[in-house]
Amino acid sequence: AQTVTQSQPEMSVQEAETVTLSCTYDTSENNYYLFWYKQPPSRQMILVIRQEAYKQQNATENRFSVNFQKAAKSFSLKISDSQLGDTAMYFCAFMITLGGSEKLVFGKGTKLTVNP
Amino acid sequence: GAGVSQSPRYKVAKRGQDVALRCDPISGHVSLFWYQQALGQGPEFLTYFQNEAQLDKSGLPSDRFFAERPEGSVSTLKIQRTQQEDSAVYLCASSFGIDRKAFFGQGTRLTVV
Repeated sequence: AQTVTQSQPEMSVQEAETVTLSCTYDTSENNYYLFWYKQPPSRQMILVIRQEAYKQQNATENRFSVNFQKAAKSFSLKISDSQLGDTAMYFCAFMITLGGSEKLVFGKGTKLTVNP
Repeated sequence: GAGVSQSPRYKVAKRGQDVALRCDPISGHVSLFWYQQALGQGPEFLTYFQNEAQLDKSGLPSDRFFAERPEGSVSTLKIQRTQQEDSAVYLCASSFGIDRKAFFGQGTRLTVV
């Protein structure tokens, strides 16, 4: 089964502090990509960060970084220096390629609130 | 265009009515996806196109759902005889393929009354 589990339905953090969102996944595939998407109330899914599973080095994008543990199938997102604009739903996802098809599998999301 | 464009943004349909949702992907993007997102949930995969070929329709919930992308660009998701359980946000995404970066539109919120 291809599943993504986000165990924290809601989290909050003070502005300028650091927060980590958890994600575990299950797949029998060896080649896949991992993603974090942000969805503000406007509904637009915005790509935050991407990690190729074959790369050991953790991806970083400005204030966003991941801790990718392939053996443990864990892919957490760290947001440093949190800003009010980071308030949103965050979805962890992985993409698999099977028989020419591509599929993104999403978790249920974590609602992050950044407090002033 | 600059991003993925979906129309309409909102659609209210009476139960039993047919609806058509449109997606304009980013120009040159080979891959196109449709997702269904229920309130408070993560998106659920519906179908995948590579150019005009529908390579995966395993997520379509019933034969009332039909998607097409005849010229490998614009895609339409059609729902026949809508039911209340079809109420959701329908998201379209496209990607160049090789880089596996999928970019999403703002979605169509469908409400069936």
